[in-house]
Amino acid sequence: EVQLVESGGGLVKPGGSLRLSCAVSGLTFNRAWMYWVRQAPGKGLEWVGRIRSNFDGGATDYGEPGKGRFTISRSDSEDMLYLQMSGLKTEDTAVYYCTTGQDWRALYFDFWGQGTLVTVSS
Amino acid sequence: EIVMTQSPPTLSVSPGERATLSCRASQSVSNNLAWYQRKPGRAPRLLIYGTSTRATDVPARFSGSGSATEFTLIISSLQSEDFAVYYCQQYINWPLTFGGGTKVEIK
Repeated sequence: EVQLVESGGGLVKPGGSLRLSCAVSGLTFNRAWMYWVRQAPGKGLEWVGRIRSNFDGGATDYGEPGKGRFTISRSDSEDMLYLQMSGLKTEDTAVYYCTTGQDWRALYFDFWGQGTLVTVSS
Repeated sequence: EIVMTQSPPTLSVSPGERATLSCRASQSVSNNLAWYQRKPGRAPRLLIYGTSTRATDVPARFSGSGSATEFTLIISSLQSEDFAVYYCQQYINWPLTFGGGTKVEIK
């Protein structure tokens, strides 16, 4: 069974930083392209970014909201995905999900974590 | 960026009735279109990929169709567990983009 478990969310002040983690099991993590997606209160789903497998070069791509502020990384030795967020804004308040698909080079998503809530407020 | 527009924003349907949800892309996505179901407090669930292929364990009452810029998700006979928000997503281009969602509510 594939499991994705996010952690690290919480309350942070505007301008602050936070690191989210996602523990992955049940799939060949080192070949999987991994993604972060978020959903702000009352809003729709929004891409945060993705990281390709190291086999495919390990490149990262970011959605517009996180460009220059967010960094996605991975540890294949620990089957962990990370999202380092800095310069947080109130509009970054959202539930953050890690996600991937059955295909290694996933572009649509079968597997999701339960999400971790990030609240940016003074 | 490809903009995905879903309509209607809210659809009121009685249990047992048919629901038709639309998704329009600002440019052709060929058949690179997925649908997700989202219930409060739960992660999104993949329903359809490749426009019309049901994901694992998705009931046959869910069907997808369309091509290029116009897509449809049909729920043939709504069950109580189907009342949720539905999102389409294109995956032909980065950034991958979602539609704004259609909420299917009980009439």
